[in-house]
Amino acid sequence: RKEVEQDPGPFNVPEGATVAFNCTYSNSASQSFFWYRQDCRKEPKLLMSVYSSGNEDGRFTAQLNRASQYISLLIRDSKLSDSATYLCVANTGGFKTIFGAGTRLFVKA
Amino acid sequence: DAGVIQSPRHEVTEMGQEVTLRCKPISGHDYLFWYRQTMMRGLELLIYFNNNVPIDDSGMPEDRFSAKMPNASFSTLKIQPSEPRDSAVYFCASSPRLAGAETQYFGPGTRLLVL
Repeated sequence: RKEVEQDPGPFNVPEGATVAFNCTYSNSASQSFFWYRQDCRKEPKLLMSVYSSGNEDGRFTAQLNRASQYISLLIRDSKLSDSATYLCVANTGGFKTIFGAGTRLFVKA
Repeated sequence: DAGVIQSPRHEVTEMGQEVTLRCKPISGHDYLFWYRQTMMRGLELLIYFNNNVPIDDSGMPEDRFSAKMPNASFSTLKIQPSEPRDSAVYFCASSPRLAGAETQYFGPGTRLLVL
């Protein structure tokens, strides 16, 4: 079993739709969590951190459920520019950063 | 500001050849990471350095892989001999401190194809 698992998708949604991604992690010692975005043939870039209390950044909302060991990302009012692969990341402290395989999103006009 | 610089951006080589990938971290960053990304295995941490010293290389797949950091502004990842299963995108990342993934800045990657 992978330490961080994501639905690979792809998710195909129309512009303006709301889409949600889930991610589960197996290591209960994981301390911090993130969502990264990776555009086609580009490097991963930090999208947002994920806090237990939940956090929002514009159209993006991230949630963490420690009891169930899952993380979610909600994108509202999808834009064409949101098309990318979204990587779920768990960190158990220090360098131990585990990336999920990613969920692909296609937003269509 | 210049980000993490990697070279070459693309490399095509034949099985058995030596491959050297290069990375220049962001100035002032004390930590440097090498990752490998494939469709099958996703993004995997291979090794990381702190102040030019290798701290953990448990992710290095086998002895054919080696990494060095002779100074604060340069690191190499070498594969000798290369094999087709080494084909992947290799990313270098740097960080100003050892914290969560929020502080890691990735380079553009080197796309390696071993024939």
